Amino acid sequence: DAGVIQSPRHEVTEMGQEVTLRCKPISGHNSLFWYRQTMMRGLELLIYFNNNVPIDDSGMPEDRFSAKMPNASFSTLKIQPSEPRDSAVYFCASSLAGGETQYFGPGTRLLVL
Amino acid sequence: AQSVTQLDSHVSVSEGTPVLLRCNYSSSYSPSLFWYVQHPNKGLQLLLKYTSAATLVKGINGFEAEFKKSETSFHLTKPSAHMSDAAEYFCVVEGGYQKVTFGIGTKLQVIP
Repeated sequence: DAGVIQSPRHEVTEMGQEVTLRCKPISGHNSLFWYRQTMMRGLELLIYFNNNVPIDDSGMPEDRFSAKMPNASFSTLKIQPSEPRDSAVYFCASSLAGGETQYFGPGTRLLVL
Repeated sequence: AQSVTQLDSHVSVSEGTPVLLRCNYSSSYSPSLFWYVQHPNKGLQLLLKYTSAATLVKGINGFEAEFKKSETSFHLTKPSAHMSDAAEYFCVVEGGYQKVTFGIGTKLQVIP
């Protein structure tokens, strides 16, 4: 298996622009997680899905952030409008089920100028 | 409520000496516990996990961790550090309903 795939790997954008991050989980995995990692706040869970349904989005920082999972093989995290403080590395992870090992993608490094 | 405390933000050891990275947790459920490693500019990789089987868990690269319920601890150890072990290590608790909490991470430095 190719593992969790994220795109783009790097994104540089200007403040106010819309940013869309993409994730393809490992085939057969039922749970998908979005994380944000910064020097100041460490690794934060933003949202997770189980069987394509959002279960807990309490980590989403504000209304500018939204996440969707239209099918079992694809998820997006959108920031609109983006701000410099959104600059971070965003990781997607998937697992077979709750309590199981999460497999992380390589991350998307986002820089908002 | 659920939480993870990694007691040291930085640990420095000499190559060939033992490694101890400390983690304490709290959870209302019988938790699953994990250690992940992140090398610079890389994603996270699972080192080992505990899911209510044997309390001493062996992972990759010679690491192991012992689940101690009485102490609510899950410390990570390795008998002999290698230069390639220099990375950041995260202790993670999953306490039911897929509620996952990461510790703040411990940066391990290995001195030649």
